[in-house]
Amino acid sequence: AQSVSQHNHHVILSEAASLELGCNYSYGGTVNLFWYVQYPGQHLQLLLKYFSGDPLVKGIKGFEAEFIKSKFSFNLRKPSVQWSDTAEYFCAAYTGFQKLVFGTGTRLLVSP
Amino acid sequence: DGGITQSPKYLFRKEGQNVTLSCEQNLNHDAMYWYRQDPGQGLRLIYYSQIVNDFQKGDIAEGYSVSREKKESFPLTVTSAQKNPTAFYLCASSGGGAAGANVLTFGAGSRLTVL
Repeated sequence: AQSVSQHNHHVILSEAASLELGCNYSYGGTVNLFWYVQYPGQHLQLLLKYFSGDPLVKGIKGFEAEFIKSKFSFNLRKPSVQWSDTAEYFCAAYTGFQKLVFGTGTRLLVSP
Repeated sequence: DGGITQSPKYLFRKEGQNVTLSCEQNLNHDAMYWYRQDPGQGLRLIYYSQIVNDFQKGDIAEGYSVSREKKESFPLTVTSAQKNPTAFYLCASSGGGAAGANVLTFGAGSRLTVL
């Protein structure tokens, strides 16, 4: 079965530190990849997505992610985090079986 | 504004009682989904529906039931057969052609506590 792994369950950073959250998926075919974010008390919302083309995709609020097919990875990055980036981040993959599979999430805490 | 409305936001029930969680969308999306969110386990798919009057089991459908009589509505019933029903339930929808088909819009969620 398709699966998505997020290796970091909790990450604590100071403001201005760089962020990289890992995401790996297990599917050898064509895959659409997503990062969703859940800010405290808010709806889950789309951060960025990759369908095809340039493997480096940019999302909202300065986030970006790189699709590396050979590594089955779609890591999320941000050069300098802010306190307002405190949230839970979910990686997800769509493999064409009519459903989106989510990872277990990473809770990011940014201290001011 | 278009979006997904879930109700109630908080729900308390006694063990053995069935409960129904409401999900309504005005986005004209064809597909609707129910996920369960538990700490440390991410989002797990309960049921999904691609079109009216059709729905499919997700990964953890046991103890749950759904209906899709209208495009806008996809209620979830948590039955007494669900062994661990206390959780946060998220409804989502998607639509808009190939580029948007996999992009989900989520509701605010319903938190169910079984006493």
